[in-house]
Amino acid sequence: AQSVTQLGSHVSVSEGALVLLRCNYSSSVPPYLFWYVQYPNQGLQLLLKYTSAATLVKGINGFEAEFKKSETSFHLTKPSAHMSDAAEYFCAVSDPRGSTLGRLYFGRGTQLTVWP
Amino acid sequence: NAGVTQTPKFRILKIGQSMTLQCAQDMNHNYMYWYRQDPGMGLKLIYYSVGAGITDKGEVPNGYNVSRSTTEDFPLRLELAAPSQTSVYFCASSYGTANTEAFFGQGTRLTVV
Repeated sequence: AQSVTQLGSHVSVSEGALVLLRCNYSSSVPPYLFWYVQYPNQGLQLLLKYTSAATLVKGINGFEAEFKKSETSFHLTKPSAHMSDAAEYFCAVSDPRGSTLGRLYFGRGTQLTVWP
Repeated sequence: NAGVTQTPKFRILKIGQSMTLQCAQDMNHNYMYWYRQDPGMGLKLIYYSVGAGITDKGEVPNGYNVSRSTTEDFPLRLELAAPSQTSVYFCASSYGTANTEAFFGQGTRLTVV
């Protein structure tokens, strides 16, 4: 079974500071990995995804994530936080061998606060 | 471009009442999903469908039912509402391959009192 762990349910940074949101997965084979963002009272929007091509993935709004198989991690980073980045972020995995293709297993989420 | 549309956005139910959460997508996706989101718990899969007429249970199906008569629509039914079903419900759709993303609706916030 797939599982996802997001370290830190809340992360606070100052505007302009580095954003680092951590995600580790548990899987017997490398899964496909996704980061979604949820703004208040909205649905989830895809930020970026890893699908076994380049290990460093660039997404929207200046975010990027690096897949590290040896560490079973897929941490999300942004060099300089903006006030508009304040939202909840979810890491999710998809099992290439799963019987329900396309089913996502989500972490518990990390709430990002950006201080002026 | 509508994507995935959910109605209603908000609803308050009394214990024991029933209701249907509506979900429609216009992307011709075969796969559709219902998730519930509880604070600090991420999203949990309730039911999913791989095409019209085919549905199956996810992680937390108890107290819910679904049907899929068309490719576009995937309603979620709560028969006897309980306080434990207070949650935010998200419908999603995808092409059904592991490397493609799911597209989510705006969610339905349900409170059972």
